[in-house]
Amino acid sequence: EAQVTQNPRYLITVTGKKLTVTCSQNMNHEYMSWYRQDPGLGLRQIYYSMNVEVTDKGDVPEGYKVSRKEKRNFPLILESPSPNQTSLYFCASSAGPDTQYFGPGTRLTVL
Amino acid sequence: KNEVEQSPQNLTAQEGEFITINCSYSVGISALHWLQQHPGGGIVSLFMLSSGKKKHGRLIATINIQEKHSSLHITASHPRDSAVYICAVETGNQFYFGTGTSLTVIP
Repeated sequence: EAQVTQNPRYLITVTGKKLTVTCSQNMNHEYMSWYRQDPGLGLRQIYYSMNVEVTDKGDVPEGYKVSRKEKRNFPLILESPSPNQTSLYFCASSAGPDTQYFGPGTRLTVL
Repeated sequence: KNEVEQSPQNLTAQEGEFITINCSYSVGISALHWLQQHPGGGIVSLFMLSSGKKKHGRLIATINIQEKHSSLHITASHPRDSAVYICAVETGNQFYFGTGTSLTVIP
């Protein structure tokens, strides 16, 4: 089954404790992206990747890192999480300029 | 800055009604996407448009590039259409999203 998976689905952590949210797709898509969704602000793009070892900043990259060492994986790294990073995070992938497939979301709470 | 504006923010309809959701954008785009977010939170892509009109079942999406405007229509609405509908524009490799239209269809 074609899908985008994210782990964990729910995470409660404390300020400053490094964390990684994994994203994996099994469709051999070149394009992958991370978004955060906040009430009243909607979805905003954090980082995206056009292919292996090619990443670029989206609209709200501050406080986040990404890497793309393999085509299928695109982890989101929060080196020192802060409460303003509490949000619902989505990973998505697509085969170039095409419809995106979204992961199920990761609900992160930073205390 | 709001590159993408959607209206209305909230919409309640009776089952069977024809529904229109509007999206206006202010940037040059390579494509426009309509997404559906279910009450459980999952997001599904409905349409990707760069010109004209697309139809899938009871859903129709149109775009007017000159006017920087798109509409999503739902014919013969059904309670299972209740969801948040999100407009997104693609500019090069980046995406900008509207804040969504929350649709409730009452039986």
